[in-house]
Amino acid sequence: ETGVTQTPRHLVMGMTNKKSLKCEQHLGHNAMYWYKQSAKKPLELMFVYNFKEQTENNSVPSRFSPECPNSSHLFLHLHTLQPEDSALYLCASSQSGGRETQYFGPGTRLLVL
Amino acid sequence: DQQVKQNSPSLSVQEGRISILNCDYTNSMFDYFLWYKKYPAEGPTFLISISSIKDKNEDGRFTVFLNKSAKHLSLHIVPSQPGDSAVYFCAAKIRGGSEKLVFGKGTKLTVNP
Repeated sequence: ETGVTQTPRHLVMGMTNKKSLKCEQHLGHNAMYWYKQSAKKPLELMFVYNFKEQTENNSVPSRFSPECPNSSHLFLHLHTLQPEDSALYLCASSQSGGRETQYFGPGTRLLVL
Repeated sequence: DQQVKQNSPSLSVQEGRISILNCDYTNSMFDYFLWYKKYPAEGPTFLISISSIKDKNEDGRFTVFLNKSAKHLSLHIVPSQPGDSAVYFCAAKIRGGSEKLVFGKGTKLTVNP
């Protein structure tokens, strides 16, 4: 596998379910990101991790819980979501340093019923 | 308030002609700008970038122009090809080493054969 992979690619869950999204990067990067893309809205940054430490939380509700066990893996734990949380969730990675390009995974299309 | 704006949600051009995608920004602290391309069911892929110390950057058929005084950048694709049909996102980075990318809503480009 090369690049940034995300699983699952599609997820349907009820509001009482707990699920997790997984992201893995094979690029040797040390920064990882979660973005949300809702219909007709710009990509919204959710979280940033640098060397496994969370450096940014963009006012994300606590029903989204990120986890970064190492520089190659990033999880987004979901619980008690709302229908308006239905969106495309994208993971990205980059080298830290301020100007490095971010590389994106294919995304997980989430539908909350 | 959106800091990065792509005011044209869609653009249609003929194969072989020039495509011009526009982007405006409001935050004068941005010092690095990127264009990403996104096909359906895939994550955004990096296309080209420009630093605020430059006013033009060229890579093959793709050229990005930056007008700092107008807080405007544009992406030129020439000649346009049907395979260029995708959604193009403009993004900007905040000065100071932050990893945060701020995205526009995107412009859907259709290149007709």
